[in-house]
Amino acid sequence: GAVVSQHPSRVICKSGTSVKIECRSLDFQATTMFWYRQFPKQSLMLMATSNEGSKATYEQGVEKDKFLINHASLTLSTLTVTSAHPEDSSFYICSARESGYTGELFFGEGSRLTVL
Amino acid sequence: KQEVTQIPAALSVPEGENLVLNCSFTDSAIYNLQWFRQDPGKGLTSLLLIQSSQREQTSGRLNASLDKSSGRSTLYIAASQPGDSATYLCAVNYSGYALNFGKGTSLLVTP
Repeated sequence: GAVVSQHPSRVICKSGTSVKIECRSLDFQATTMFWYRQFPKQSLMLMATSNEGSKATYEQGVEKDKFLINHASLTLSTLTVTSAHPEDSSFYICSARESGYTGELFFGEGSRLTVL
Repeated sequence: KQEVTQIPAALSVPEGENLVLNCSFTDSAIYNLQWFRQDPGKGLTSLLLIQSSQREQTSGRLNASLDKSSGRSTLYIAASQPGDSATYLCAVNYSGYALNFGKGTSLLVTP
């Protein structure tokens, strides 16, 4: 299957700093990527849909000024957590669909963010 | 609200047993349904994708079925092995874009 790479896998930062997470589709082009957040023992919650060349679409309750998403190319989307606080500590996972609306969705390995 | 429910939340079986994981969804107007495996602290590995027009998909010891009319899908794992221990997530594609996930079934296969 297609490969989605996410980096970094783990990051620890101080409160108030910003952290950038990268998501790359390695062997296919993805006009749309998705960012999810997962709390311990909980399911994945969609945060935003990242669209290549245009603004991201955020889910209700997700602060767009706090979670900045940039999708500058067909293979790269980035999520920046700005002015991070301890409550932002979570597991962030990106995903991309290989083609169309009915294609299989592939996920990155996830990024564990810990804000001290 | 388009909800996805997985039962049971946790399951422990001895090695070699066949087992069934259940997934139910409230809206039958789906594009497709996907089953994933998640190991602790890791991302998701896609196991099986069933399109709305399909009834089942098979891959090795795994078989997934889909019954849209009743809003159900099952994941059947044959001859379970300790390496199958993980959390299994069911996700429904309603919109043609992102997936709606269930909370998962945590499976433990004991030697």
